[in-house]
Amino acid sequence: NAGVTQTPKFQVLKTGQSMTLQCAQDMNHNSMYWYRQDPGMGLRLIYYSASEGTTDKGEVPNGYNVSRLNKREFSLRLESAAPSQTSVYFCASSEGREKLFFGSGTQLSVL
Amino acid sequence: DAKTTQPPSMDCAEGRAANLPCNHSTISGNEYVYWYRQIHSQGPQYIIHGLKNNETNEMASLIITEDRKSSTLILPHATLRDTAVYYCIVRPATLTSGTYKYIFGTGTRLKVLA
Repeated sequence: NAGVTQTPKFQVLKTGQSMTLQCAQDMNHNSMYWYRQDPGMGLRLIYYSASEGTTDKGEVPNGYNVSRLNKREFSLRLESAAPSQTSVYFCASSEGREKLFFGSGTQLSVL
Repeated sequence: DAKTTQPPSMDCAEGRAANLPCNHSTISGNEYVYWYRQIHSQGPQYIIHGLKNNETNEMASLIITEDRKSSTLILPHATLRDTAVYYCIVRPATLTSGTYKYIFGTGTRLKVLA
């Protein structure tokens, strides 16, 4: 049982490049989340999704888009990466009132 | 939604109890208190949660004051592996867009000393 899987684990981009961070969960959870964590800081919510086909903005959505492709997958897209988006990105999932399960993160550097 | 306040850092001697406080003075009656921890740069890990009563599991104990305005996470016998950032979160009482919107603060960086 893999839980929450994120790919890639590491990525280096140049300013202006685009990329998609992938997240998949195998726990049949309805809710999924994307967070970012800057060095020495706490987690900030980017986007979240209550169910397939629904998404909503979190605390820091600017510069990102998301897709809830199906119940398992929730992707985060950077259309034009900026150095300010250098961060560690975490995907999480939950079911109802249950706790959050996190992936191991994607470390992104934008040069 | 209720906000939480935690000290930025704490030290604890190995083998002693680590008591991590959290203030949530604006918590409402049906909002739960959750604790997570993050070791190094791994994804946060759930520890425990509670509403009114004190709770205990294999990892920790959670003490919530009677007025629910604050809580304390207790690691009874801290080990070096408990060195981590600990986050106290208040889970909103109501759904937002169909789910709970979990907002993390900056947490408490606990260092367990040998």
